[in-house]
Amino acid sequence: DQQVKQNSPSLSVQEGRISILNCDYTNSMFDYFLWYKKYPAEGPTFLISISSIKDKNEDGRFTVFLNKSAKHLSLHIVPSQPGDSAVYFCAASEGNEKLTFGTGTRLTIIP
Amino acid sequence: GAVVSQHPSRVICKSGTSVKIECRSLDFQATTMFWYRQFPKQSLMLMATSNEGSKATYEQGVEKDKFLINHASLTLSTLTVTSAHPEDSSFYICSARSTGRETQYFGPGTRLLVL
Repeated sequence: DQQVKQNSPSLSVQEGRISILNCDYTNSMFDYFLWYKKYPAEGPTFLISISSIKDKNEDGRFTVFLNKSAKHLSLHIVPSQPGDSAVYFCAASEGNEKLTFGTGTRLTIIP
Repeated sequence: GAVVSQHPSRVICKSGTSVKIECRSLDFQATTMFWYRQFPKQSLMLMATSNEGSKATYEQGVEKDKFLINHASLTLSTLTVTSAHPEDSSFYICSARSTGRETQYFGPGTRLLVL
């Protein structure tokens, strides 16, 4: 049972445009959500997080939106840069419990 | 801040030997550390959760006698793959979290190849 889903395995975006990565979840008890970026053969790097009491959190070029009623969150990257090319994982947790990860979306920024 | 290191970054060993992987939190005290395994083109699979000073909690299907975890201090956790076999070849990643914080910070990973 995949509680966190990233339905797009890959996404290509032109440099300078907005990248939108999506994530859906099924467990309504999740109250903390995170996005990680991962390069091959490296550990994930934390990007941004959001608590369930908020619907938006912004940090530089990265903004995470949370729609609790739809059980959906998204990561917006604007403007997209070549260095953003990586695999992006969304993750969710309930209370202070373990993280549940999505399957990842490979983002490719086209120069 | 929030730097986590892993050592070694890569290890090749013969079948039947044991391999120890270290995970250290460099600039914070990690009350909880997690060990993950990643297969090619797949998501991270949580293997176990360890809290400093207590026994690790293993996920279903993970052999605790095969994957020994020790979290003896607030900055160090070790994963020992005992009697490694080729099917244990994988990318092992640790993460760490401090008390009261919900964000996990990940190490760079260890590539294990068992011949």
